[in-house]
Amino acid sequence: DQQVKQNSPSLSVQEGRISILNCDYTNSMFDYFLWYKKYPAEGPTFLISISSIKDKNEDGRFTVFLNKSAKHLSLHIVPSQPGDSAVYFCAASASLGFQKLVFGTGTRLLVSP
Amino acid sequence: NAGVTQTPKFQVLKTGQSMTLQCAQDMNHNSMYWYRQDPGMGLRLIYYSASEGTTDKGEVPNGYNVSRLNKREFSLRLESAAPSQTSVYFCASTLPDSSYEQYFGPGTRLTVT
Repeated sequence: DQQVKQNSPSLSVQEGRISILNCDYTNSMFDYFLWYKKYPAEGPTFLISISSIKDKNEDGRFTVFLNKSAKHLSLHIVPSQPGDSAVYFCAASASLGFQKLVFGTGTRLLVSP
Repeated sequence: NAGVTQTPKFQVLKTGQSMTLQCAQDMNHNSMYWYRQDPGMGLRLIYYSASEGTTDKGEVPNGYNVSRLNKREFSLRLESAAPSQTSVYFCASTLPDSSYEQYFGPGTRLTVT
């Protein structure tokens, strides 16, 4: 039972354009969401997060949107750069109890010059 | 400040052999985690340790044991390796009270033949 789903295994975007990565979740107890970025042969690194009390969080070129009613979140990267090419994982957690993360399967983003 | 370190980086085992994956963090974090990453599966939690002296099962604990040796170190042991345990293993740590953000090590690529 995949509680966090990233239905697009890959995405290709041109440099300077917007990249939109999507994530859906099924567990209504999730109230905190994170995006991680992973380069080959490295561990994932934290990118941006959002609490369920918000519907948007921005950090420079990265914005995360949360639609609680649809159980959907998205990561927008504007403008996209070749260095953004990586695998992006969505993760979710429920604040009740110990804070374990449940990860999606990842989306591989390729930004071409 | 090295963050989260893992040894070894690569390992090849034969079915039935045992080994221990080592993880250490120098950030004074309370909680530590072991994940495995398989193609198309995202990161799945094997075991975690909320604090020194405690360990708990995650989503896929079968075939593994862990030891929280002290606050810094959290090891993962495969007693009798199986080909299904071929994967990339990541250790992570976090301060549970203040952040859901987990810091990951560089990973150990394990192949079981």
